[in-house]
Amino acid sequence: DQQVKQNSPSLSVQEGRISILNCDYTNSMFDYFLWYKKYPAEGPTFLISISSIKDKNEDGRFTVFLNKSAKHLSLHIVPSQPGDSAVYFCAATTRYNQGGKLIFGQGTELSVKP
Amino acid sequence: DVKVTQSSRYLVKRTGEKVFLECVQDMDHENMFWYRQDPGLGLRLIYFSYDVKMKEKGDIPEGYSVSREKKERFSLILESASTNQTSMYLCASTEIGGLSTDTQYFGPGTRLTVL
Repeated sequence: DQQVKQNSPSLSVQEGRISILNCDYTNSMFDYFLWYKKYPAEGPTFLISISSIKDKNEDGRFTVFLNKSAKHLSLHIVPSQPGDSAVYFCAATTRYNQGGKLIFGQGTELSVKP
Repeated sequence: DVKVTQSSRYLVKRTGEKVFLECVQDMDHENMFWYRQDPGLGLRLIYFSYDVKMKEKGDIPEGYSVSREKKERFSLILESASTNQTSMYLCASTEIGGLSTDTQYFGPGTRLTVL
């Protein structure tokens, strides 16, 4: 049973426009959410996170929004740049679990066209 | 900077071979993880370890085992490789969960092909 779902396998956006990547989760115990970015032939790198006590977290061009009632989060990239082209993974966890386990979604491949 | 290294970037093995994938981290992290990444399935946790000689099964442990003899090193073992184990294997490490940010640091991955 997929506890974290990214229903769009791919997204194509024009340079300078907004990219919106979506993620849904089913486990109401999750209280911390992260986004990772992965380029081909590299490991994922941490991008941004949000705690369940917040509904928005911003870091430069990247903003994550959390809607707890809908069990939905989204990553906004504004403005999108060609270097943002990568696979984006959403992940969720419960902060006080043993071992720091993360549950990942399937990923969304973002393509930003010049 | 945290560094997680994996012993091979690309590996080709034959069905039935025993395969060792090595991972080393240099940040004195307690927790280490092995994932596989497959198209449409995302990152799936195979095994993790929260201390030396400690290991826990993840979501897809079948066909795999692990070893953690030293804090910095976490090995994934395919006892008898099969073609359905062809995948990208990613190692990660993090500080103790709980009060940490739970950020995991990943190695560059090993692309394993089993023929």
